[in-house]
Amino acid sequence: GNSVTQMEGPVTLSEEAFLTINCTYTATGYPSLFWYVQYPGEGLQLLLKATKADDKGSNKGFEATYRKETTSFHLEKGSVQVSDSAVYFCALSDGAGGTSYGKLTFGQGTILTVHP
Amino acid sequence: NAGVMQNPRHLVRRRGQEARLRCSPMKGHSHVYWYRQLPEEGLKFMVYLQKENIIDESGMPKERFSAEFPKEGPSILRIQQVVRGDSAAYFCASSPRGGWDTEAFFGQGTRLTVV
Repeated sequence: GNSVTQMEGPVTLSEEAFLTINCTYTATGYPSLFWYVQYPGEGLQLLLKATKADDKGSNKGFEATYRKETTSFHLEKGSVQVSDSAVYFCALSDGAGGTSYGKLTFGQGTILTVHP
Repeated sequence: NAGVMQNPRHLVRRRGQEARLRCSPMKGHSHVYWYRQLPEEGLKFMVYLQKENIIDESGMPKERFSAEFPKEGPSILRIQQVVRGDSAAYFCASSPRGGWDTEAFFGQGTRLTVV
């Protein structure tokens, strides 16, 4: 079955540091890949997505590139802010031709804390 | 346009009681997904519903759990005879259509504690 593995956390950084959160996946076919963010006390929000190999998703300074050859979708940001402190989830959905109807498989989440 | 609304936000039940979790999808959304997040784990898919139909319940425990999405009103996740292991955060998501590339919008979750 499908699975998603995220780097173990938590991650603690100083403001303006470079961020990488690793995500690798196992799936049949061609899944769509997502990063969701969960701020304290809130639900999950879609941060970015990519639906085919070599696509780059980007939003709010975050980027992730769909790498089929390494089955990875690592999240990066060049300069983090205190307001980026949150839990980040990598997820996949069965790609075209699948039957998951948009069902998501999530990684375990990575807690990011950014200090001033 | 209000987001996905879940209530209650926090629910405490004694072992053996019933828990009812409600989810009102975004306006115009007819597809609802329920996920469960156990402590220190990621979200796990439970069930996918369209109006009046259960499409995929492959993630639902076989006993005590049920879900519905009636023609009128919110989607309900019902847990009968709760046990301590049911303590978790339950998230609902909705989308305007099903599909592998469709964004799902999540609610804030219901945190169930079984004492």
